[in-house]
Amino acid sequence: EAEVAQSPRYKITEKSQAVAFWCDPISGHATLYWYRQILGQGPELLVQFQDESVVDDSQLPKDRFSAERLKGVDSTLKIQPAELGDSAMYLCASSFPGQASEQYFGPGTRLTVT
Amino acid sequence: GDSVTQMEGPVTLSEEAFLTINCTYTATGYPSLFWYVQYPGEGLQLLLKATKADDKGSNKGFEATYRKETTSFHLEKGSVQVSDSAVYFCALKDSGGYQKVTFGTGTKLQVIP
Repeated sequence: EAEVAQSPRYKITEKSQAVAFWCDPISGHATLYWYRQILGQGPELLVQFQDESVVDDSQLPKDRFSAERLKGVDSTLKIQPAELGDSAMYLCASSFPGQASEQYFGPGTRLTVT
Repeated sequence: GDSVTQMEGPVTLSEEAFLTINCTYTATGYPSLFWYVQYPGEGLQLLLKATKADDKGSNKGFEATYRKETTSFHLEKGSVQVSDSAVYFCALKDSGGYQKVTFGTGTKLQVIP
């Protein structure tokens, strides 16, 4: 069964360092989402791509976060510099266009900033 | 903006007990409503959905009915199993162009034998 792949699964970094997460969506899914899930809270959308274009990044802290999906397939989310408050689970999901209700989630990357 | 409010957990039940997890929402327009489940160490999975008022979503013995008059979408199961232990998230999808999904804070369910 096709799955959304994410790496790494766990990342520990010191504050002020740069960190990057990678996501490979299910083949054929043109829509890709990055969410942040703080412990005890629900996922919060950071950025949504349609192919290689960003369609919603209203909740992305653009002073330190960036996301790209250059070829419209896999995607990278970067944080530079990392802050203590960035410790969270970062989830990637994908879906067919117009099928946001059928999002498939990856296992996530748990980030700890020390 | 859109929001989802869930009952706080954790909820601890004995096997075969009846489960209700409350969910209410605030949204403009006509959102679709969902329940997602997150098993330990895994990503979120769509459990069930309802796209219009009075629709009932169901899957794996779980049910939820879209109640527009009370803006609610409560999750129910008649007889829980240990394997149902997980975190359950209520969510809504707005009816706008980008179809943004807003999640509740999640309710942890623990079922004991």
